[in-house]
Amino acid sequence: EAQVTQNPRYLITVTGKKLTVTCSQNMNHEYMSWYRQDPGLGLRQIYYSMNVEVTDKGDVPEGYKVSRKEKRNFPLILESPSPNQTSLYFCASSLSGQLTYGYTFGSGTRLTVV
Amino acid sequence: QKEVEQNSGPLSVPEGAIASLNCTYSDRVSQSFFWYRQYSGKSPELIMSIYSNGDKEDGRFTAQLNKASQYVSLLIRDSQPSDSATYLCAVNPRMDSSYKLIFGSGTRLLVRP
Repeated sequence: EAQVTQNPRYLITVTGKKLTVTCSQNMNHEYMSWYRQDPGLGLRQIYYSMNVEVTDKGDVPEGYKVSRKEKRNFPLILESPSPNQTSLYFCASSLSGQLTYGYTFGSGTRLTVV
Repeated sequence: QKEVEQNSGPLSVPEGAIASLNCTYSDRVSQSFFWYRQYSGKSPELIMSIYSNGDKEDGRFTAQLNKASQYVSLLIRDSQPSDSATYLCAVNPRMDSSYKLIFGSGTRLLVRP
């Protein structure tokens, strides 16, 4: 089944403890992206990647890092999480950076930072 | 001005009625348009895409695009309680420096049994 897989689905952590949210897609998509979704603010892009080793900032990149060493994987790293990073996170992928066919989203990761 | 605007709702319709969801966008060169359905706490799911002016039908869903007026709409016929969700309009702006879909804030649809 074609899908984007995120892990974990739920995570509660403490301020300052480094964490990684994994994202993997099995559709050979070139483009991948991370979003956060907050009430009243909608979906906001954190980072995106046009292909392997090509990443760039989205609208809200502060406090996050990403890497794209393999085409299928695009992990999101929070080196020192803070409570304002409590949010619902989605990984998304698309066939190419032209985004002609829209995104396929992962199932989401609900992160709580205390 | 927001790039993609939707009425937040809730839009309440009785079961079996037609639900009409609207979206306007600001970028005239946008080429592709999408409707996503999102249940509370779940991920957005692509239900329709449309690329040219006119109507596109898929089962109970019809997407309508009018590029001259810069709006896109989604009609849901024979609405069911299971259609109750937030519907997100997304636009591909095709700007050279913007590699992302632009999402509206979503319209919450409630279908009353």
